[in-house]
Amino acid sequence: KAGVTQTPRYLIKTRGQQVTLSCSPISGHRSVSWYQQTPGQGLQFLFEYFSETQRNKGNFPGRFSGRQFSNSRSEMNVSTLELGDSALYLCASSFTGSTEAFFGQGTRLTVV
Amino acid sequence: GENVEQHPSTLSVQEGDSAVIKCTYSDSASNYFPWYKQELGKRPQLIIDIRSNVGEKKDQRIAVTLNKTAKHFSLHITETQPEDSAVYFCAAIRQTGANNLFFGTGTRLTVIP
Repeated sequence: KAGVTQTPRYLIKTRGQQVTLSCSPISGHRSVSWYQQTPGQGLQFLFEYFSETQRNKGNFPGRFSGRQFSNSRSEMNVSTLELGDSALYLCASSFTGSTEAFFGQGTRLTVV
Repeated sequence: GENVEQHPSTLSVQEGDSAVIKCTYSDSASNYFPWYKQELGKRPQLIIDIRSNVGEKKDQRIAVTLNKTAKHFSLHITETQPEDSAVYFCAAIRQTGANNLFFGTGTRLTVIP
């Protein structure tokens, strides 16, 4: 079956703009989590959605938000972009009751 | 929240030698500890995991040990091969059915042929 799909793969934005990233989970997976990966900080948890509800949230400012649709697809939005938001954004889906996370290829965001 | 520390940040070994990566966690309620491998330019993939009711788990050349009292767990790779070269991440989570992993900062393993 198809894996986790993230779009777009690459994105260049200007400081102050906003951006929306998309994640389509593996069919049947209802949990979608988002992570920010940077060379210095590793993988940091942003938030998790399950059945269209935010179930957990990491320690990121309110500029980072997300949502999940009825088909489990999820979007992540970052407003008022800062240079420090440049990172690889990964989403991961998991099956209900399972903790194994299946990651997408990520969206590399560059803020200039 | 949970805080996971991982050491070393880089590790170079000769092909055939063993590699050990260590992690500590802060939340005593964490009870599921997965390890992910991320090859260059690729997505992280689960390679092994351990639950808090088990002290050690093996899968061919890789093994993970857990010391709940000391709140640390380790990844052991024996007979390393060049294809083991990658970044390895440890993680911890309260296994509540949620998918919110707290990762260590990663270890870049290089296996020298």
